[in-house]
Amino acid sequence: GIQVEQSPPDLILQEGANSTLRCNFSDSVNNLQWFHQNPWGQLINLFYIPSGTKQNGRLSATTVATERYSLLYISSSQTTDSGVYFCAVKGDYKLSFGAGTTVTVRA
Amino acid sequence: DAGVIQSPRHEVTEMGQEVTLRCKPISGHNSLFWYRQTMMRGLELLIYFNNNVPIDDSGMPEDRFSAKMPNASFSTLKIQPSEPRDSAVYFCASRGQGSEAFFGQGTRLTVV
Repeated sequence: GIQVEQSPPDLILQEGANSTLRCNFSDSVNNLQWFHQNPWGQLINLFYIPSGTKQNGRLSATTVATERYSLLYISSSQTTDSGVYFCAVKGDYKLSFGAGTTVTVRA
Repeated sequence: DAGVIQSPRHEVTEMGQEVTLRCKPISGHNSLFWYRQTMMRGLELLIYFNNNVPIDDSGMPEDRFSAKMPNASFSTLKIQPSEPRDSAVYFCASRGQGSEAFFGQGTRLTVV
């Protein structure tokens, strides 16, 4: 199956800081999604981004499918951004998840 | 749409008991997935349905696990008999033709 690697595994930020999360994948994919798992365990859709760049408020994402990576940018981080960020890629039909990046934003 | 709906949200059961988890996918979605999340293994796919038909159940841990999708609006995941190592969060997800998957809130299962 497709291997998905996320980095860094952990990230501690001061409120207001910017950060970049990375997702590398081992094979061609049909699509890529970013999720935020909040402290209550819910998986929240952030981006569906098979290629290109998208922005949603303070978050943006870029996928370079030909080079097999995606980046998630968090700007002006807030404590509510804390949680685990997952990258998931779709090869044939299933979503394969990375191990996630745990983000802690301190006030 | 209310999104993917799972029930129950929490389940505590004794070892050996039967457990049934339920999922209502988003209306119009033709793909349904059951995932399990544990600290050790992360998010892993258990089974995938397309148009109510099981396509890939290679992730189902063993014969104690079974899943059904009798119609387009309902699926169940059953564990019988349950064991403490089955304790995890079980997610259901659905996807339509647009290829973006949406997850339910999950069922936190504790087997004591």
